[in-house]
Amino acid sequence: DAGVIQSPRHEVTEMGQEVTLRCKPISGHNSLFWYRQTMMRGLELLIYFNNNVPIDDSGMPEDRFSAKMPNASFSTLKIQPSEPRDSAVYFCASRIGSTNEQFFGPGTRLTVL
Amino acid sequence: LAKTTQPISMDSYEGQEVNITCSHNNIATNDYITWYQQFPSQGPRFIIQGYKTKVTNEVASLFIPADRKSSTLSLPRVSLSDTAVYYCLVGDLTTGSARQLTFGSGTQLTVLP
Repeated sequence: DAGVIQSPRHEVTEMGQEVTLRCKPISGHNSLFWYRQTMMRGLELLIYFNNNVPIDDSGMPEDRFSAKMPNASFSTLKIQPSEPRDSAVYFCASRIGSTNEQFFGPGTRLTVL
Repeated sequence: LAKTTQPISMDSYEGQEVNITCSHNNIATNDYITWYQQFPSQGPRFIIQGYKTKVTNEVASLFIPADRKSSTLSLPRVSLSDTAVYYCLVGDLTTGSARQLTFGSGTQLTVLP
């Protein structure tokens, strides 16, 4: 298995633009997580899906952020409009069952100018 | 939420045993303790998970006292490649509430030759 796949790996955009981050979880995994990592705030959980259904999105910073999981093999995290403070590394992770072992993707480094 | 506290950094020498302690005074009854390792420019990687007493796998041991208010990750005979940030995570994914997931601030372990 290729592991969790994220795209793009790097994204540079200007303030106000829409940004879409993509994630393909490991085949067979039934939970998917989106995290954001910054130096100031560390690793923060944004949203968690179980069987494609959002379970808890209370970590999403504000209405500019939205996430979808239309099927078991694909998820998107969208920021519209983007702001410089959204600059961070965004990780997607997946897991199977109800263990605490999550498999993280390589991350997307987002820079908003 | 069970907040966690870890040392910011630790230094060790090759071949030594390293113990990293995490405090989680407000851990809930159903919470598990999980440790992750993160190298620069990579997503975190699962190391070990436990609920109480001692857990051992091929790379580490996890010691959890009876009151569960702290835990210690033990890395035997570290090598230079163990230089990384180590995160303590407390939470219970089985309840379906992702807001119980809390990553610690992480401990930067530096292994010296």
